[in-house]
Parts: sequence; structure tokens; C-alpha cells
Amino acid sequence: TQLLEQSPQFLSIQEGENLTVYCNSSSVFSSLQWYRQEPGEGPVLLVTVVTGGEVKKLKRLTFQFGDARKDSSLHITAAQPGDTGLYLCAGAYLRGSTLGRLYFGRGTQLTVWP
Amino acid sequence: DAGVIQSPRHEVTEMGQEVTLRCKPISGHNSLFWYRQTMMRGLELLIYFNNNVPIDDSGMPEDRFSAKMPNASFSTLKIQPSEPRDSAVYFCASSPDPSDRAEQFFGPGTRLTVL
Repeated sequence: TQLLEQSPQFLSIQEGENLTVYCNSSSVFSSLQWYRQEPGEGPVLLVTVVTGGEVKKLKRLTFQFGDARKDSSLHITAAQPGDTGLYLCAGAYLRGSTLGRLYFGRGTQLTVWP
Repeated sequence: DAGVIQSPRHEVTEMGQEVTLRCKPISGHNSLFWYRQTMMRGLELLIYFNNNVPIDDSGMPEDRFSAKMPNASFSTLKIQPSEPRDSAVYFCASSPDPSDRAEQFFGPGTRLTVL
């Protein structure tokens, strides 16, 4: 059973379109991170959100942490082919025994066509 | 900084053989993680270390898998004997400290194929 569920699993769109991907859980996290992974490489951190309701923007990418800190969304405006990749969300708990561990979702594979 | 270094990048072996994957974390990082990624199961945590001490190995599939971290700059993941179902991409990651907000820096991965 996956602690974090991501949807959709696959998304294929044309350049210039907007999109939103979701990361949901029944658990409350102390923080949530979004990573992007390109073929043949390891995941790379995009953003960390730590406060319920927090919104962070990274150029055309907008990240939101749910008020209850159980879910998050990533919105991309005017997608470009360079946005193509696997987007992974990962949650962390503020607990002594698991501190530092991230619980990853299975990811959304985004393809943006020119 | 060179980032997290993994070797080999690709490994093809036959069922029953021993496989050793190697990782050099970023200098000064205190936490090290081993992950396995497949299409079916996504990115799974196998084991992680804080200050060279294994903290959680509950993700290690079975006794055929073992991991060591003899010092702060080196870790190995060993599979003995290997099986075809072990075929996957294995990632090593390191982070500066065991914090709930610490970024994990991933290596390029080792693509393992067991025939």
C-alpha cells in the first residue's frame, strides 16, 4: 500500500497547455517535497513545503500544501517540452525513529509535445 | 562538489552471482539512503544510515540483500545470490542531516540486469 498516491499516473499534453498533478495521503506530514526525475538520472529536488496552505512558485510551477498537510498539488502554466519528466512527491514525518526518511509516491510521468 | 557517485553505472550478471553496488556520498553529509526503482513498484527505500549507523532496514527485500557503511565516505549494497526479479535501477542518495526538511541528493543510479 502506497502512503502517498499521485495522480494522474501518466499525462501527455501539447506545449502551451496548463496542467495540475496531485499528491494525496490519509497521513499528516510535517513537510512535503517535490522532485523531478529525467531519464537516466536520479530525482532532483524542486521544492519543499512545510506549512499547511503554503504556496510556493518556481517560475511557471506553483506548488501548494494542503491546509491539513495531507495533500499537495503541482500546477504548471504554459508547459514546455523541457518540463517532461517524472514528478515525484515525498512526505516526511517529524518523528525521532524515522527522522530524515522520505516516503515517495509512485510519480506522475509528464510528456510535453512540441 | 562532484555530487553522489555510484558505481558501476550498469551491471549485467547471471542469476546466482554476487553483485556489489558502491556509493560515495557528498562530503559532509550525515545521512545515506539506498533506493530501488522499478516500473511496477516505483521508488522504494531499502535502507538508510545516519552517521554510518543503519537506522531502518525494513525495506530490504530478504536476506540476500545486505548493506554496509564502513565510513562516512563509502557504502555498499550487496546482493548474494542475485535473481532476475532483482533487476532494477538502484539509487544512492545522501542528505546533510536527518531532518524532516533535508533535501536528498541522488546519484545517477546503477542499472542492474540479472539474466
